[in-house]
Amino acid sequence: QVQLKESGPGLVQPSQTLSLTCTVSGFSLTSNSVHWVRQPPGKGLEWVGAIWSGGSTDYNSALKSRLSISRDTSKSQVFLKMNSLQTEDTAIYFCTRSEFGVRLDYWGQGVMVTVSS
Amino acid sequence: DIVMTQTPSSQAVSAGEKVTMSCKSSQSLLYSENKKNYLAWYQQKPGQSPKLLISWASTRESGVPDRFIGSGSGTDFTLTISSVQAEDLAVYYCEQYYDTPFTFGSGTKLEIK
Repeated sequence: QVQLKESGPGLVQPSQTLSLTCTVSGFSLTSNSVHWVRQPPGKGLEWVGAIWSGGSTDYNSALKSRLSISRDTSKSQVFLKMNSLQTEDTAIYFCTRSEFGVRLDYWGQGVMVTVSS
Repeated sequence: DIVMTQTPSSQAVSAGEKVTMSCKSSQSLLYSENKKNYLAWYQQKPGQSPKLLISWASTRESGVPDRFIGSGSGTDFTLTISSVQAEDLAVYYCEQYYDTPFTFGSGTKLEIK
């Protein structure tokens, strides 16, 4: 069955770089896209970016300059790297699948990232 | 970027009542070539990940109860719950996947009286 699981550090210092991994199973990264969505505590959902089945990427306009999404298809993993972290980046980060590049049909459990010194 | 506006921000209803919530987009989500609206609805219960309820504005996902009804086209969309149950306590988000960046509405919080 389709599964996604996020992993990464729970605490990151301001101005440092966040590195998250999404490990997937039950589907191929070369046939589906994987997206990152984040949710600050008590707030709504924000689309962060995506890596498409062909390997190209798209990013949230406001985060583009700090963000990089990549993948390792042999390990079924997708990576998110965001630099120059600020307290406003504190959020739960979800990875989610999009079949055919449309609606987000399967979601991981999310990983809480706190930016604090 | 396409802006998604949801109203109301919160709503309290009694079990068994009907509830409607609105989602408006800043540009049409109707793709002329296939006549599909690129709009999804998600349900997020407290402490859980979002769950896809409806895609293409009106297509329920497998296993979603038929009391959840999506409607609308173009820029105006509605999610209706025909008879609210206690387990429907959640925040409901609309999302457009017509163009990148994908964007979400700010959510409608459903409370049960």
